[in-house]
Amino acid sequence: AQSVSQHNHHVILSEAASLELGCNYSYGGTVNLFWYVQYPGQHLQLLLKYFSGDPLVKGIKGFEAEFIKSKFSFNLRKPSVQWSDTAEYFCAVNSLRGGSNYKLTFGKGTLLTVNP
Amino acid sequence: ETGVTQTPRHLVMGMTNKKSLKCEQHLGHNAMYWYKQSAKKPLELMFVYSLEERVENNSVPSRFSPECPNSSHLFLHLHTLQPEDSALYLCASSQDRLNYGYTFGSGTRLTVV
Repeated sequence: AQSVSQHNHHVILSEAASLELGCNYSYGGTVNLFWYVQYPGQHLQLLLKYFSGDPLVKGIKGFEAEFIKSKFSFNLRKPSVQWSDTAEYFCAVNSLRGGSNYKLTFGKGTLLTVNP
Repeated sequence: ETGVTQTPRHLVMGMTNKKSLKCEQHLGHNAMYWYKQSAKKPLELMFVYSLEERVENNSVPSRFSPECPNSSHLFLHLHTLQPEDSALYLCASSQDRLNYGYTFGSGTRLTVV
């Protein structure tokens, strides 16, 4: 069974600091990778996704993530965080099996607190 | 609004009660899911429905009973729950076989007393 590890449970930064959230997965086959964000009191929203091609993917709100296949990693980055980025961030992996790919496995999430 | 609507937003129920959670999607998706979100734990996939057929049940206790009458509606029937079942229950939908990700509802915050 595939699993997803997010290394940091809680990250606290000041505004304008750079952000990198780690994500590693265990599945060795072809995968699709996602980052979701959940702002306080709101629903999970898709931040960005990787299917194939350029391993550096750009998402909304200035976020990007890099897929490094050899490291089974998909780390999320942002050069300069804002107070409004305070949220919980979830990495998710969808392994391709049998042509039907409707099961996402999520990490435990990383709570990001940005202090003004 | 995400296109996936969950009701109620909050629910408090006793251990002997019977209640139902409702999810409705207006996105034309053909797969729907129930997830459980507890503090400090990964989102747990509970049930998957594809084309109204239950295709996955992740060892969920029988006190949780899903129902998918059509591709736009999904229910989670609850009875004789335990306090440890208190959590945020999330519904999601997707277009099967496509990799556009899931669309989540806002969830139902369930408290079992």
